[in-house]
Amino acid sequence: DSGVTQTPKHLITATGQRVTLRCSPRSGDLSVYWYQQSLDQGLQFLIQYYNGEERAKGNILERFSAQQFPDLHSELNLSSLELGDSALYFCASSAIRQGVGTGELFFGEGSRLTVL
Amino acid sequence: DAKTTQPPSMDCAEGRAANLPCNHSTISGNEYVYWYRQIHSQGPQYIIHGLKNNETNEMASLIITEDRKSSTLILPHATLRDTAVYYCIGRTGADGLTFGKGTHLIIQP
Repeated sequence: DSGVTQTPKHLITATGQRVTLRCSPRSGDLSVYWYQQSLDQGLQFLIQYYNGEERAKGNILERFSAQQFPDLHSELNLSSLELGDSALYFCASSAIRQGVGTGELFFGEGSRLTVL
Repeated sequence: DAKTTQPPSMDCAEGRAANLPCNHSTISGNEYVYWYRQIHSQGPQYIIHGLKNNETNEMASLIITEDRKSSTLILPHATLRDTAVYYCIGRTGADGLTFGKGTHLIIQP
């Protein structure tokens, strides 16, 4: 158990819809990362938040957005869903030392999104 | 992050040491080498990391060549539960990790 909790574990929805994925980081971790893993793309970094502020952005589509709340949990919002958005979405958290992420990311078990 | 090259797949007999190579010839002086693994569709799991010196923890050992152009992850006594995709990542102090395709390690009974 990594200590990172993701909900829901599975989600099935239709094209054009909007979903929200939720992540609770490990206790004390200020930094949250979101990754997407589809069969043909591997693990893709989407976005990182640190203590409520966006810290780094990867290959995140404009239809996707995220935020980190004062209690440090994070949500990833996916809108106008397409078939190609079907994937595993992982959240990870890490400690920060001297203002920099340690590189030791702790991943949740993921949310499997299926878009029909 | 440094570009890393790993074999796409490897086999190892159960109980033997599994040695997973990684080439990172463009790694810069301040980039650490990180290893993660992912067991079928589970979240990736941190294994170990190092900069110059060899490192060992309860899961594995990491051997980094003196010129830092390559490294080897060693699982000393592989078990069937070690079957997974292993990722080698070069990383600076910047946040975020870039995962490549990794090595699919299959432990044979």
